[in-house]
Amino acid sequence: NAGVMQNPRHLVRRRGQEARLRCSPMKGHSHVYWYRQLPEEGLKFMVYLQKENIIDESGMPKERFSAEFPKEGPSILRIQQVVRGDSAAYFCASSPGSLNQPQHFGDGTRLSIL
Amino acid sequence: GESVGLHLPTLSVQEGDNSIINCAYSNSASDYFIWYKQESGKGPQFIIDIRSNMDKRQGQRVTVLLNKTVKHLSLQIAATQPGDSAVYFCAERGNNNDMRFGAGTRLTVKP
Repeated sequence: NAGVMQNPRHLVRRRGQEARLRCSPMKGHSHVYWYRQLPEEGLKFMVYLQKENIIDESGMPKERFSAEFPKEGPSILRIQQVVRGDSAAYFCASSPGSLNQPQHFGDGTRLSIL
Repeated sequence: GESVGLHLPTLSVQEGDNSIINCAYSNSASDYFIWYKQESGKGPQFIIDIRSNMDKRQGQRVTVLLNKTVKHLSLQIAATQPGDSAVYFCAERGNNNDMRFGAGTRLTVKP
């Protein structure tokens, strides 16, 4: 059983460029969550999506950040015009969807901004 | 455990001893909790979960205790092994099924 797959594992961008992070949920999982983690800190919720719908984006910055989970293909977290402060590890999790089911995480994308 | 500032709380135990990692949660209405283990360079790995209608749940070598009165969660690891060295996070389910993570505790197992 393939777990949650994230790519790329490492991404380097220069200030002002765009970063696109991809996440393929576990088979059978229709709910995707994105989190951000700074070194030595816990994960901070960003956005929760179901297929073609954003359920909760309360943790996402209002500008430059967007997320989608299309009917076909992986979920994408897009960061436009990246700044140094965007450097972090971004984790994706998926769940089957029913309440009180554990979320399973990928191994993250480490984004570095030069 | 919780932490303020940049440094994770740490717990150092001898191999073979039992470990207890503590966590205080914030929302008295939370009804679902998970303990995750995170090794360096990897994503959080599910260890065990518990619902608010339970006080205790046991897995293989791990036990989670929930005290709703004081909003406290603990993870007990029996016969700790070097492979248990990692950062451990407690997480509570938020209003929209997102998980709210604590700051984490770094467990170091000495051989």
